[in-house]
Amino acid sequence: EVQLVESGGGLVQPGGSLRLSCAASGFTFSSYWMTWVRQAPGKGLEWVANIKQDGSEKHYVDSAKGRFTISRDNAKNSLYLQMSSLRAEDTAVYYCARDGIVVVGAFDIWGQGTMVTVSS
Amino acid sequence: DIQMTQSPSTLSASVGDRVTITCRASQSISRWLAWYQQKPGKAPKLLIYKASSLESGVPSRFSGSGSGTEFTLTISSLQPDDFATYYCQQYNSYSLTFGLGTKVEIK
Repeated sequence: EVQLVESGGGLVQPGGSLRLSCAASGFTFSSYWMTWVRQAPGKGLEWVANIKQDGSEKHYVDSAKGRFTISRDNAKNSLYLQMSSLRAEDTAVYYCARDGIVVVGAFDIWGQGTMVTVSS
Repeated sequence: DIQMTQSPSTLSASVGDRVTITCRASQSISRWLAWYQQKPGKAPKLLIYKASSLESGVPSRFSGSGSGTEFTLTISSLQPDDFATYYCQQYNSYSLTFGLGTKVEIK
């Protein structure tokens, strides 16, 4: 079964750091771009970052640049999002999603999400 | 960044109705547009990619059309399982953006 499972969410104080993980199974992880998307409580979807198959290319939403780092370990079939200098507005459910192989941007497989709460 | 504007924000409809949701891009995105369905507490589900290509396993009552800056998602005959929020998303540029969503409610 094709599956993505996120972990690592939780409560963190403003200015703190958190590392999210996403474990992939059921497909050739190293063949796909991968993406993080978040959703603040009661709000819409916001793309956060994506990463190329070999990690050589990464893109971020402006609000994440300089604070978040996306990475992957193809040997472990895992995707990561290192978040630092966290703000209240980063509070959201964070989803990892499978992106394309050649054409990037339509996400066909999603995890169940992990909740990040930034609060003192 | 490319802005995506969806309308309406909320739509009340009955089972069997034909439903159309519109998504407009602030600049041309060719056909690089996807549509997703999301139910409360669940992850989004890809319905349509490249403006009109139906994702595998998605019922044929869903269809997408458009190019450039104007796109539509149509549900030909609304079913009980279709009451949800729908999002459009452009992927013409590396800065990907979603619309704010359209909630389809029971009339």
